[in-house]
Amino acid sequence: GQNIDQPTEMTATEGAIVQINCTYQTSGFNGLFWYQQHAGEAPTFLSYNVLDGLEEKGRFSSFLSRSKGYSYLLLKELQMKDSASYLCAVKGTYKYIFGTGTRLKVLA
Amino acid sequence: KAGVTQTPRYLIKTRGQQVTLSCSPISGHRSVSWYQQTPGQGLQFLFEYFSETQRNKGNFPGRFSGRQFSNSRSEMNVSTLELGDSALYLCASSPYWDSYEQYFGPGTRLTVT
Repeated sequence: GQNIDQPTEMTATEGAIVQINCTYQTSGFNGLFWYQQHAGEAPTFLSYNVLDGLEEKGRFSSFLSRSKGYSYLLLKELQMKDSASYLCAVKGTYKYIFGTGTRLKVLA
Repeated sequence: KAGVTQTPRYLIKTRGQQVTLSCSPISGHRSVSWYQQTPGQGLQFLFEYFSETQRNKGNFPGRFSGRQFSNSRSEMNVSTLELGDSALYLCASSPYWDSYEQYFGPGTRLTVT
């Protein structure tokens, strides 16, 4: 079957670093995506990995290991505005499959 | 460039009724995908349209249908509404059907009573 797993909730302190893990099992692989979704808003694109390794974009980095079916999103220098849900998604052969999201709470 | 627009933003319907939701993609984008988002299931893919043709379809019953017009605008229809259809329906726009970029609209919040 096709499945994406990520933790339901995480809490971290302002200024800290947090890593959100995602494991996946899909038929076909055409890229792994991370989206940020604030409560009541639409998801917004954060990152895209199609090859193994680390992609860095400012305070956000995303890592992919295709052989392990594993990715993580690393958020550095956490800010209060980073409190949101983070969705891991895989583009399979024909469609996107999303995880249920990780709700991140950033505490002052 | 204007973003993805969806209408209406909120809708309340009764069981058994039908509903039509609309999505206008970003200008120049030709692919539109539809998703259902619920707290328990997360985001689930409904279907994708490109150049007025349905390219891919998720695992939803036939009560869920869609179409795309020549100007790339898309509509989604749900017939014989059930309580479980209450959800946020999101539309995402992409330049092409195999593009990795997806830009989401604000969604339509459907409540079925």
